[in-house]
Amino acid sequence: GAGVSQSPSNKVTEKGKDVELRCDPISGHTALYWYRQSLGQGLEFLIYFQGNSAPDKSGLPSDRFSAERTGGSVSTLTIQRTQQEDSAVYLCASSPKFVAGVREQYFGPGTRLTVT
Amino acid sequence: GQNIDQPTEMTATEGAIVQINCTYQTSGFNGLFWYQQHAGEAPTFLSYNVLDGLEEKGRFSSFLSRSKGYSYLLLKELQMKDSASYLCAVEGRNRDDKIIFGKGTRLHILP
Repeated sequence: GAGVSQSPSNKVTEKGKDVELRCDPISGHTALYWYRQSLGQGLEFLIYFQGNSAPDKSGLPSDRFSAERTGGSVSTLTIQRTQQEDSAVYLCASSPKFVAGVREQYFGPGTRLTVT
Repeated sequence: GQNIDQPTEMTATEGAIVQINCTYQTSGFNGLFWYQQHAGEAPTFLSYNVLDGLEEKGRFSSFLSRSKGYSYLLLKELQMKDSASYLCAVEGRNRDDKIIFGKGTRLHILP
């Protein structure tokens, strides 16, 4: 079966431009997470969806960042007016609501964003 | 708030045993995950602890003490392929709560 997919795999953009990052979770997974990881660093939580709603947006670094999820499936993370400090790998993960006592996250391959 | 601490880097020798510690302070707690991440790759699931005690899975074991806010990941018979970052992550009180990751421990294996 298909895992979590993300597109694009790599994105180079100029400072000030807007970018959209896409995540396709595993079919049937109700929870979807966005994380950011800078080189050599841990995962920084950005936002979390349960279905189409986002109970927790506390990790979004600024109002330039927004995310949506439609149909309980695909999610898009949008960064407006990109800055060089936005350069990082953006990871998406999905998990089932509750399966056999374990709710592990399945990660996509990530989108490497470089802002020049 | 939530705070998760783990050592930044560790070094161990092939064939040896290494223990990676994780301490956490969270407003609510339901369970704790360990993930492995090789350089340039996405994290992959290793273990999940809800109850106190040791969970063994092959060469890897994970321990949890809820009262102490403490966990460790034990890796036995280390192999070169175990060189990776190991991420501790805490799940909030409710099953709908987010999962927060620590910064990870980079493990270097020497031949």
